[in-house]
Amino acid sequence: AQKITQTQPGMFVQEKEAVTLDCTYDTSDPSYGLFWYKQPSSGEMIFLIYQGSYDQQNATEGRYSLNFQKARKSANLVISASQLGDSAMYFCAMREDQTGANNLFFGTGTRLTVIP
Amino acid sequence: EAGVAQSPRYKIIEKRQSVAFWCNPISGHATLYWYQQILGQGPKLLIQFQNNGVVDDSQLPKDRFSAERLKGVDSTLKIQPAKLEDSAVYLCASRNRVMNTEAFFGQGTRLTVV
Repeated sequence: AQKITQTQPGMFVQEKEAVTLDCTYDTSDPSYGLFWYKQPSSGEMIFLIYQGSYDQQNATEGRYSLNFQKARKSANLVISASQLGDSAMYFCAMREDQTGANNLFFGTGTRLTVIP
Repeated sequence: EAGVAQSPRYKIIEKRQSVAFWCNPISGHATLYWYQQILGQGPKLLIQFQNNGVVDDSQLPKDRFSAERLKGVDSTLKIQPAKLEDSAVYLCASRNRVMNTEAFFGQGTRLTVV
């Protein structure tokens, strides 16, 4: 079974609007971390935001926020006030801290295109 | 602080040849990962090191791929012999396990097998 599922191969958003990128995960590990990375066309993986499984509040980092719904096993990324520079691939990832030997598993990604 | 360094950035080889990639993680990061990212897909974990020991290599095609991390710092990933389907970007990442932080990635090595 896939540990990380990203069902949106591509998304479009108008500049200055907000967009939500979906991510669901599957684990039986009680302790895990969820991550979002951005990969521009240049290829580097840029860390955006982290949510721990025991965190009570949703993580926020500037224009990025993570909508964490533990019971539904979802960890959607919300980008507010989209900018042209946000156009990139976005990957959701999970690290299992007990059973998973701290491996970091990635989803298939969502390509976001910001329209001027 | 200096980031994760990888070399070379690009490599083109013929099938059945061998190739090696090098990674220098961020200083003090005990955990090191190697990923294979085929065009249009997400990164696939190949191997994880903790210091100089292998934690997980279950996804590493051991008939042709090998990796080592001598002295718990630099790491090399080797493919011998290469196949056409090995064409991908090979990403190295490191993490400070004690701080429980995110993994930091290098810029990757783009391998083309012709």
